[in-house]
Amino acid sequence: SQQGEEDPQALSIQEGENATMNCSYKTSINNLQWYRQNSGRGLVHLILIRSNEREKHSGRLRVTLDTSKKSSSLLITASRAADTASYFCATGRGATNKLIFGTGTLLAVQP
Amino acid sequence: DTEVTQTPKHLVMGMTNKKSLKCEQHMGHRAMYWYKQKAKKPPELMFVYSYEKLSINESVPSRFSPECPNSSLLNLHLHALQPEDSALYLCASSHGEAGANEKLFFGSGTQLSVL
Repeated sequence: SQQGEEDPQALSIQEGENATMNCSYKTSINNLQWYRQNSGRGLVHLILIRSNEREKHSGRLRVTLDTSKKSSSLLITASRAADTASYFCATGRGATNKLIFGTGTLLAVQP
Repeated sequence: DTEVTQTPKHLVMGMTNKKSLKCEQHMGHRAMYWYKQKAKKPPELMFVYSYEKLSINESVPSRFSPECPNSSLLNLHLHALQPEDSALYLCASSHGEAGANEKLFFGSGTQLSVL
């Protein structure tokens, strides 16, 4: 079952620009995570934000969480060609191992 | 060692074959996962093992049979698959049993083609 929907589905920007991806989800959550996937490879964890947090930073990444709107955003600043990848949000509920991924955003950064 | 290793990287099999996918981690993680990912789609959870016991089966057809021989190894046995089972199969692990509350470490996946 799919919990999150991301938009846009695809995003193309120039190197140096900022990229913003949004994730909306349906039910209450304990935390929300963002992952990156290069084409045909495994996923790499980027950042985890808990339901009682509103904003989190990691290097060029900034994640916000609005639990009242059931939405999150991932901002990548000063993008690089190496940031080209698919980005997925993932949500966890309860004390389980069930991490469900959203639909993903395909980001292309043009050099 | 922060790696999850999956073998083989690519697998082509016929519908009557039996094959196995293997996954290994040496990070001392107590939960291990199988995800299936079709092209241009998000990963879909299949199975979760917690402390070597199957804790979640997402109604996966019996032609997929998971096995966790020990805390470092996870296998996925495949038998009588269908062409629609062709996908990228991803293994992941997490430190504790409540993996939804912590980050997952993923392997590079096995690209499976069923002919």
